[in-house]
Amino acid sequence: SYVLTQPPSVSVAPGQTARITCGGNNIGSKSVHWYQQKPGQAPVLVVYDDSDRPSGIPERFSGSNSGNTATLTISRVEAGDEADYYCQVWDSSSDPVVFGGGTKLTVL
Amino acid sequence: EVQLVESGGGLVQPGGSLRLSCAASGFTFSSYWMSWVRQAPGKGLEWVANIKQDGSEKYYVDSVKGRFTISRDNAKNSLYLQMNSLRAEDTAVYYCAREGYSGSYYYWGQGTLVTVSS
Repeated sequence: SYVLTQPPSVSVAPGQTARITCGGNNIGSKSVHWYQQKPGQAPVLVVYDDSDRPSGIPERFSGSNSGNTATLTISRVEAGDEADYYCQVWDSSSDPVVFGGGTKLTVL
Repeated sequence: EVQLVESGGGLVQPGGSLRLSCAASGFTFSSYWMSWVRQAPGKGLEWVANIKQDGSEKYYVDSVKGRFTISRDNAKNSLYLQMNSLRAEDTAVYYCAREGYSGSYYYWGQGTLVTVSS
């Protein structure tokens, strides 16, 4: 089955830019979605189809996808952005829905 | 307003069974693929199963094939997950989620906790 690889953790100071990667074989050919999850809460979709934002998601959240890596970029990071972030794709192989292992974003 | 409300979680012994339900409202339930996604304590998200609008197609993660059955009742706007032969590793919060275009999940329920333990 298709595998998505994320770094376990990313740390960034407030006001700086955080980049969270999601690696997968030829992931650039797939649509990548990103979720934010805070403790005790359901996930929230923050980017879909590589780079689109649902209504209500700040412009500080953006995404890109090319080759074997998709990236979620959070600009001007705030304390409230501290959370776990997951990438996800739909795949035509045995498991049609695949999540990355998640990245814990720590705001220093 | 779209709402997804799960129920049916609880404590069950290994080898036991449990049926989860998800009550949907605020949208045309019969028009969407629906999924179950779980999260073991302290772990990441894991897709479990999904089902087509009319129930004619169902897919499962390998670890639950033959033990779990996803189903839906469009007349009742409800999604179900029948879980048999439960194992300790099935312990998780189970979320029901509505699939959007390209397979993203904009709408999630609040989750229901399933604990498999003797």
